[in-house]
Amino acid sequence: NAGVTQTPKFRILKIGQSMTLQCTQDMNHNYMYWYRQDPGMGLKLIYYSVGAGITDKGEVPNGYNVSRSTTEDFPLRLELAAPSQTSVYFCASGRKDRVDEKLFFGSGTQLSVL
Amino acid sequence: AQTVTQSQPEMSVQEAETVTLSCTYDTSESDYYLFWYKQPPSRQMILVIRQEAYKQQNATENRFSVNFQKAAKSFSLKISDSQLGDAAMYFCAYSDYGGSQGNLIFGKGTKLSVKP
Repeated sequence: NAGVTQTPKFRILKIGQSMTLQCTQDMNHNYMYWYRQDPGMGLKLIYYSVGAGITDKGEVPNGYNVSRSTTEDFPLRLELAAPSQTSVYFCASGRKDRVDEKLFFGSGTQLSVL
Repeated sequence: AQTVTQSQPEMSVQEAETVTLSCTYDTSESDYYLFWYKQPPSRQMILVIRQEAYKQQNATENRFSVNFQKAAKSFSLKISDSQLGDAAMYFCAYSDYGGSQGNLIFGKGTKLSVKP
């Protein structure tokens, strides 16, 4: 059981370049999330999705776009990379609201924009 | 807006001893969830313990327990019989009851060191 898989694990971008961070889960979870973690800080929610075709903004959505065409995949797009987007990005998934349900995290993508 | 504050950037504990990590939060909601997550050097986010605000009883998970003080908006984590594997960043997090549990607001974290 792979859980939540993120690719790539590391990436260096030049200012103004674009890229897509991939996230896929094999647990048939309908909720998926993208977080960023800046050095010395906690995670902040960028975007989330409650099911295929439905996405919504989190706390820090500027500079990012997402899509959710399937239950399994939730890619995060950076259109014009800026140094402020240097961070570690985490994808997570979970089932519909349940008190005892656990959130599953990927292992993160470390992105540097130079 | 809800906020989560962890006032201890770093803590240290001797192996086999007990340590308490502090967390305070601010919300106008009456029903919500609180969490402690562990992040070892591998970066993996691991759920340690969860507390539902409507429950009076403090949550426990083996050596981990919380002291939930709703009126004071305080949510501390106690680690008993500390082990070397407990060394990690610990994050306190909050989510509204009505929303998804994944819409989390995190504190800045506490780095826990365990001395042999």
